[in-house]
Amino acid sequence: EAGVAQSPRYKIIEKRQSVAFWCNPISGHATLYWYQQILGQGPKLLIQFQNNGVVDDSQLPKDRFSAERLKGVDSTLKIQPAKLEDSAVYLCASSYRVTEAFFGQGTRLTVV
Amino acid sequence: SQELEQSPQSLIVQEGKNLTINCTSSKTLYGLYWYKQKYGEGLIFLMMLQKGGEEKSHEKITAKLDEKKQQSSLHITASQPSHAGIYLCGAEWGAQKLVFGQGTRLTINP
Repeated sequence: EAGVAQSPRYKIIEKRQSVAFWCNPISGHATLYWYQQILGQGPKLLIQFQNNGVVDDSQLPKDRFSAERLKGVDSTLKIQPAKLEDSAVYLCASSYRVTEAFFGQGTRLTVV
Repeated sequence: SQELEQSPQSLIVQEGKNLTINCTSSKTLYGLYWYKQKYGEGLIFLMMLQKGGEEKSHEKITAKLDEKKQQSSLHITASQPSHAGIYLCGAEWGAQKLVFGQGTRLTINP
C-alpha cells in the first residue's frame, strides 16, 4: 500500500516569498491533516479536511496560510508571504478514521 | 495551557534499562495514540488505546490508559538503540481531531 506522499522534502525561501506544499494521501482516506512542527515541539494541527470540506482550521494563520483539497484527494498548503517564524517541518497525514493516522515524511521549510 | 502534557521532555537511559513516558490529558479522552518519530522524519504509529484500563503491547513496548481515560503511560522494557527517537502521544477528544503533546526525546546510551 502506498503511503502518504509529500513534496518537496526541503525548501529554502527568503522571508516575504511564497511557498506551496503538496500532499497526496492514501487512497480512500477521507480525513487529511496538515500539521506544523517547530523544532523541539510536538506537531500543531493547522487544518483538518473531511473529504473536501474543512473540519477544523482554528489554528491556521489565515492572513498568510491557505489550504485546499480539491476533489477530496490531493491537498496543497500555501504560505504567502512567509515569515522567519514559519520555519518548521510541515507534516501531512491521512486516515480512514482518526484511528491510526498515517503520516508523510514532511516538508522541511527554512525561511531566511 | 497545554491540554496534553508529556513527561519527561527528554530522557537518557543506558541500553538494557527500562523506562516510562507519561501523557496526561486535561479532559477525558475518546482515544489516545502513541507515535514515534525519528529526527527529520514523519510519525510512525505505535498503538491506540480507547477503553479505560486498556493495555496493549508490541514487542518490548507496552502502553496503558488509566480507568478515567485521562492519563497514559508508555513503558519500554530492556531498551535498545533502535528505541531512540521522539515519542509523541496524540489525543482525540471529539470531532475526529488529533492533537499531540510536545513529545519526549529518548536517547539510549550504549
